[in-house]
Amino acid sequence: AQKITQTQPGMFVQEKEAVTLDCTYDTSDQSYGLFWYKQPSSGEMIFLIYQGSYDEQNATEGRYSLNFQKARKSANLVISASQLGDSAMYFCAMREYSNYGGSQGNLIFGKGTKLSVKP
Amino acid sequence: GAVVSQHPSWVICKSGTSVKIECRSLDFQATTMFWYRQFPKQSLMLMATSNEGSKATYEQGVEKDKFLINHASLTLSTLTVTSAHPEDSSFYICSANNRVTSNYGYTFGSGTRLTVV
Repeated sequence: AQKITQTQPGMFVQEKEAVTLDCTYDTSDQSYGLFWYKQPSSGEMIFLIYQGSYDEQNATEGRYSLNFQKARKSANLVISASQLGDSAMYFCAMREYSNYGGSQGNLIFGKGTKLSVKP
Repeated sequence: GAVVSQHPSWVICKSGTSVKIECRSLDFQATTMFWYRQFPKQSLMLMATSNEGSKATYEQGVEKDKFLINHASLTLSTLTVTSAHPEDSSFYICSANNRVTSNYGYTFGSGTRLTVV
């Protein structure tokens, strides 16, 4: 079973509008972390935002916020006031902190969502 | 902030030759390095995990004799693709486990685009 599911292969958003990128996860661990990365066409992985499983507040970083719904195991990324430079692939990822899931400390990535911002 | 320098950023090689990719942590000690492979329009898939001074742990389906990983120092890890074939053409990217960085423990290199002809 997939541990990270991103159901939107591609999304379009009008410049200056907000967009939500979906991510659901599957883990039996109580302690885990959720990450979002942006990957432009150059290939580099740009860290956007992090949410720990014990964090009670939703994480925010500038125009990025994470809508964390623990009971639903979802960690959607919200980008406000989209800009043309936001066009890129976006990956949701998870790290499990216990050894229950066989974690070696690596990140497990979803398949990504390609976001296109229209002028 | 913490930086992992990855070289080369792109390489084209002939089938049957070997290619070495380097990841160097510039201002921190990378005790663990993760190596990922990403085929076009796909996700990052973990190939192997290397810890300084010990043998790498490979994921199922990754040939350890083909993808040689060396992590001889706390600042340098290398991935050598031996006897490369066109099906090895991919984007390879490293990620260092770094408890010092603000990115909650992970610093990525900039990636290497390998094309085997």
